[in-house]
Amino acid sequence: TQLLEQSPQFLSIQEGENLTVYCNSSSVFSSLQWYRQEPGEGPVLLVTVVTGGEVKKLKRLTFQFGDARKDSSLHITAAQPGDTGLYLCAGVPGSNYKLTFGKGTLLTVNP
Amino acid sequence: EAQVTQNPRYLITVTGKKLTVTCSQNMNHEYMSWYRQDPGLGLRQIYYSMNVEVTDKGDVPEGYKVSRKEKRNFPLILESPSPNQTSLYFCASRAWGQGSPLNTEAFFGQGTRLTVV
Repeated sequence: TQLLEQSPQFLSIQEGENLTVYCNSSSVFSSLQWYRQEPGEGPVLLVTVVTGGEVKKLKRLTFQFGDARKDSSLHITAAQPGDTGLYLCAGVPGSNYKLTFGKGTLLTVNP
Repeated sequence: EAQVTQNPRYLITVTGKKLTVTCSQNMNHEYMSWYRQDPGLGLRQIYYSMNVEVTDKGDVPEGYKVSRKEKRNFPLILESPSPNQTSLYFCASRAWGQGSPLNTEAFFGQGTRLTVV
C-alpha cells in the first residue's frame, strides 16, 4: 500500500493551460514537501507546507496543505515548457525522519 | 556550494561482480540515505544512516550493504549484483538531530544509472 498517492500519474498539456496535481494519504503528516525532478537529475525541493490549510505560492505554482494534513495539491497557472518534469510529494510519517515519496506525476508541457 | 556527489553516473556490470557506488556530501548532514527509482514504483528507500556508524534498513534492503565510517561519505555496496538491481540510484542527505525539524530539505545527488547484465 502506497502511503502517498499521487494523481494523475501522467499529464500532457499545452503551453498556457492551468493544471492541478494531487497528493493524498489516509495518514496525517506533520508536513508535506513537493519536489521536482528533471530528466537526468535528482529531485529538488520546491516547497514545504507545515500548517493545515496553508497555501504557499512560488511564482506560478500554488501549493496547498489540506486542513486535516492528509493531502496536498499543486496548481500551476499558465504552464510553460520549462515546467516539464516529474513532480513528487514527500512526507515524514510519524517521528522517525524517514522521508517517504509518492510515485509522482509526470508533467509534459508542449509548446 | 551545497552538494551531494555520486559516482559513477553510469555503470554497466555483469551478474555477480561486486561494485560500490560512492556518495559524498559537503553540508555536514547527519542523515543520509539511498533510494532506487524504477518506472511505476517511484523512489524507494534502500538504507539510511542517522549518523556515523548508525545505519538501518529501508524498504528494499535485500542485496545491498552500506557503511558510514565518516560523516560525509555513505557508499552503497552490491556484493553480488543481479539483473533485478538494474535501476536508477540516488543518494540523499538531510539535516537531522537536536534542533532540526522533521521536515528538513533532502538534497539529492545526480543519480547513478546501473545496468546489470
